[in-house]
Amino acid sequence: QKEVEQDPGPLSVPEGAIVSLNCTYSNSAFQYFMWYRQYSRKGPELLMYTYSSGNKEDGRFTAQVDKSSKYISLFIRDSQPSDSATYLCAMSARGTSYGKLTFGQGTILTVHP
Amino acid sequence: NAGVMQNPRHLVRRRGQEARLRCSPMKGHSHVYWYRQLPEEGLKFMVYLQKENIIDESGMPKERFSAEFPKEGPSILRIQQVVRGDSAAYFCASSPDRSSGNTIYFGEGSWLTVV
Repeated sequence: QKEVEQDPGPLSVPEGAIVSLNCTYSNSAFQYFMWYRQYSRKGPELLMYTYSSGNKEDGRFTAQVDKSSKYISLFIRDSQPSDSATYLCAMSARGTSYGKLTFGQGTILTVHP
Repeated sequence: NAGVMQNPRHLVRRRGQEARLRCSPMKGHSHVYWYRQLPEEGLKFMVYLQKENIIDESGMPKERFSAEFPKEGPSILRIQQVVRGDSAAYFCASSPDRSSGNTIYFGEGSWLTVV
């Protein structure tokens, strides 16, 4: 069983829809949670960073962490065609090497006009 | 405002040759990480380096792979005697000191193809 599970999709939505992306994990030591966006043949770009449980909002993006359920989510409001990309969740545990992240497989998102 | 710089962006090697991938971290960053992304798989941690030190190489294959971050110059990921299974995207990331939390910033990647 993988430490981080993420549905690879693909997910296709119309422009303006609310998108929900999710990851589950098995390692209860994970404390730091991140979402990255990766365009084709490009490097991952950090979108959201959350420490421990709770919600964090940044513009059209909201990240949620539910440590009791070992479940994290990224919501994208008013989705745009430019949001079409692969979204990667990543997490790390306190006490592990700084910057040593465990990634999900990534969800491919397409927003069509 | 240069980000993490990686080169070459694309590299083709024949089986048995050596591949050298270079990474210059963002200005002011002293921590470098290498990740590998195999087709249909997520990013996998390989190694974490600071200047002249390997901090964590728990994700590095035991043979043929090595990494360094010298006092001067870029970090180098070296793959000796490449095999087809080494074909992947290799990403370098960097971060400033620990006070910024576990956020790291990736370069655009180096795509290695072994023929």
